[in-house]
Amino acid sequence: ILNVEQSPQSLHVQEGDSTNFTCSFPSSNFYALHWYRWETAKSPEALFVMTLNGDEKKKGRISATLNTKEGYSYLYIKGSQPEDSATYLCAFRTDSWGKLQFGAGTQVVVTP
Amino acid sequence: EPEVTQTPSHQVTQMGQEVILRCVPISNHLYFYWYRQILGQKVEFLVSFYNNEISEKSEIFDDQFSVERPDGSNFTLKIRSTKLEDSAMYFCASSTRPGDTEAFFGQGTRLTVV
Repeated sequence: ILNVEQSPQSLHVQEGDSTNFTCSFPSSNFYALHWYRWETAKSPEALFVMTLNGDEKKKGRISATLNTKEGYSYLYIKGSQPEDSATYLCAFRTDSWGKLQFGAGTQVVVTP
Repeated sequence: EPEVTQTPSHQVTQMGQEVILRCVPISNHLYFYWYRQILGQKVEFLVSFYNNEISEKSEIFDDQFSVERPDGSNFTLKIRSTKLEDSAMYFCASSTRPGDTEAFFGQGTRLTVV
């Protein structure tokens, strides 16, 4: 069983502040790392798919980095806004056919 | 924007009853998945489906579970005889190919077994 861990479990951010959180995964048998944003009562929304060590991806104010050798990925939110409030899930894949193995998520609450 | 749709959004069923959860994947997608999240736990994989057959299934996906693509647009998950521990949010997902592409998720069906 492959363990994908996310930390912290939750965090509160003041509007305008930047924040980041971590996804840790087994460094062996890496194929891809996915990030999702999940707002209550909505579908999990795909943010990034990362495959290469050193990958950096950006979507608006959200960006992510990947270190496959040490088995972690960071997600950054720059200048947090209330609409960034959501649970951010990472999911790990060991091969092209493999299932997504999810972390428990980081719940982000941005207060005005 | 194309999306994965799931029905119903909520289902309450009695223990031992059969339930069918329905999904309409994105139309040009070829790979289909079911995941579930029991309250307070991680999202966990159930099954993947490609070319009208199961390509992978988890230990959870025992003989009580089955999947079907009956008409080329719907993708269903059937639980034959529900147990209390089947209560969870069930998510359908689809992708153009597996691996390094995004899997698009539906908003889920909340199944409550009483």
